[in-house]
Amino acid sequence: DSGVTQTPKHLITATGQRVTLRCSPRSGDLSVYWYQQSLDQGLQFLIQYYNGEERAKGNILERFSAQQFPDLHSELNLSSLELGDSALYFCASSVGGGYYGYTFGSGTRLTVV
Amino acid sequence: DAKTTQPPSMDCAEGRAANLPCNHSTISGNEYVYWYRQIHSQGPQYIIHGLKNNETNEMASLIITEDRKSSTLILPHATLRDTAVYYCICPYSGAGSYQLTFGKGTKLSVIP
Repeated sequence: DSGVTQTPKHLITATGQRVTLRCSPRSGDLSVYWYQQSLDQGLQFLIQYYNGEERAKGNILERFSAQQFPDLHSELNLSSLELGDSALYFCASSVGGGYYGYTFGSGTRLTVV
Repeated sequence: DAKTTQPPSMDCAEGRAANLPCNHSTISGNEYVYWYRQIHSQGPQYIIHGLKNNETNEMASLIITEDRKSSTLILPHATLRDTAVYYCICPYSGAGSYQLTFGKGTKLSVIP
């Protein structure tokens, strides 16, 4: 157990639907990061939050959004889902900016049918 | 981020040292070298990082050349559980934030 909790572990949904992935960071970590891993794209950085504020943005689609709440948990919202959104979604957390490394959760496997 | 180059795959006999190379010839003076690994479909795991001195922890050793253009991650006694994809990353470190960009990494297979 890394200390980063992601729910749900698996999610199957239909095209056009909207889903929410949840992440609870390791205790004491202020930064949360979201990554997408599909078979053909590898690990892609989506977005980073630090203490409730967006800190950095990567290759995140406009159909996707995220936020970090006052209790530091984060949610990634994926809408108008397409088959190509099927992937593993990882959340990671770090103390500060990540100098001591990121701690990753075990991921949410999203399947869009 | 400095671009990194790693061999796509390597094999290592169980119990032997695994030496994973990484080239980062465009690394700048204040960019660190980080290593992570990902065991099949699990979340990536931080291994070690360094700037210019060699580093060692309970998982591995990191050897960085004097010119900092390349480095080697050493797993001293590889076990079957070390079979994973290993990523060498030189993250951009603006405003104290170390943003990780993962490449394709090296798939290490530890063979019994």
